[in-house]
Amino acid sequence: DAGITQSPRYKITETGRQVTLMCHQTWSHSYMFWYRQDLGHGLRLIYYSAAADITDKGEVPDGYVVSRSKTENFPLTLESATRSQTSVYFCASSEVTGELFFGEGSRLTVL
Amino acid sequence: DQQVKQNSPSLSVQEGRISILNCDYTNSMFDYFLWYKKYPAEGPTFLISISSIKDKNEDGRFTVFLNKSAKHLSLHIVPSQPGDSAVYFCAARLINTNAGKSTFGDGTTLTVKP
Repeated sequence: DAGITQSPRYKITETGRQVTLMCHQTWSHSYMFWYRQDLGHGLRLIYYSAAADITDKGEVPDGYVVSRSKTENFPLTLESATRSQTSVYFCASSEVTGELFFGEGSRLTVL
Repeated sequence: DQQVKQNSPSLSVQEGRISILNCDYTNSMFDYFLWYKKYPAEGPTFLISISSIKDKNEDGRFTVFLNKSAKHLSLHIVPSQPGDSAVYFCAARLINTNAGKSTFGDGTTLTVKP
């Protein structure tokens, strides 16, 4: 099916471990984004990408790494997870000026 | 300082009545505003948007009003239905940037009672 798929949907890890959240889109949208949503708060932009091999920081990039070797994939890596990174992570895509299309989210718990 | 604020964390209305969700912003460089709806355990979905050159945009039961002088926008849902119960996020985009680089409010949880 067309759309954005995120994996894993749920992940529990320990402090200091490396975690990678995967994101795949089938629309061939130019832009892709990673947002996090903490309980009771809105979405905050972590990183975004305007095209393959072009990435840039958002509002809260510290502790995260992204790559975009292919247009359809935009993985997010937590190199050394911390408890403060416990959150729900949403991947999204859009065309140049359009609205966001979100994945279903990845719920990450860091113990 | 939060640039997009949704001051009402929750709103409860009766089925068939109007729901009005409010959003205030502080940055005059925002030129495009969007509303997203989010059900539990799902990603947000786009609902409706408005450009700063307009003061109203309507799509079926949903209407967004923009008051630039007051830096205020509102989403009207008429008539409200139980399926509208969700969290609604207001988002604003800076001029000449991609709409994905939006600044989001904290959301308002709408409950529509049958």
